[in-house]
Amino acid sequence: KAGVTQTPRYLIKTRGQQVTLSCSPISGHRSVSWYQQTPGQGLQFLFEYFSETQRNKGNFPGRFSGRQFSNSRSEMNVSTLELGDSALYLCASSLAQSAGKQYFGPGTRLTVT
Amino acid sequence: EDQVTQSPEALRLQEGESSSLNCSYTVSGLRGLFWYRQDPGKGPEFLFTLYSAGEEKEKERLKATLTKKESFLHITAPKPEDSATYLCAVLISGGYQKVTFGIGTKLQVIP
Repeated sequence: KAGVTQTPRYLIKTRGQQVTLSCSPISGHRSVSWYQQTPGQGLQFLFEYFSETQRNKGNFPGRFSGRQFSNSRSEMNVSTLELGDSALYLCASSLAQSAGKQYFGPGTRLTVT
Repeated sequence: EDQVTQSPEALRLQEGESSSLNCSYTVSGLRGLFWYRQDPGKGPEFLFTLYSAGEEKEKERLKATLTKKESFLHITAPKPEDSATYLCAVLISGGYQKVTFGIGTKLQVIP
């Protein structure tokens, strides 16, 4: 079974731009969660989508948004990028909603200059 | 406020030198505690789930235990390939359950 895939793997953007990251979950998994990982803060929960609906949201500004498609693939968008948005963005999929056992993708390394 | 604290932040062991990593939590409504391993440049990989105090899980050289306030990940006779960052996460009940991660312990095992 193929694992969770994320594209692109690396991205360099400038302040003020916007970016869209993509995540394909494991086949059959309907829940997709997004996390931001930085050295100082660790993994911070962004949001979770289940059956195309956002089910849960972390404490991030409205510049961070996402969506899920009918095939469970998910995208995350960050508008008006700031230097502090530089991080590893991880996507995780699971069978059930709000599951502790998740399968993570390799992440997208975003650098904002 | 729900908190998950891992200690130490970094740990350096000689090959074969057993030790323990700690994950303490202050949360209301714990539904489960999870351990993950993360290698550089990769996403976290699931290791264990613990649901109730007194529960233990084992996998090769790793053993996870849970009490009412903390969890330990014991590493017996570690090998260099055990070098990684170990993350602890808690699943908290609420309107919608959410997962909160600790910052991790970076383990280095020296041959």
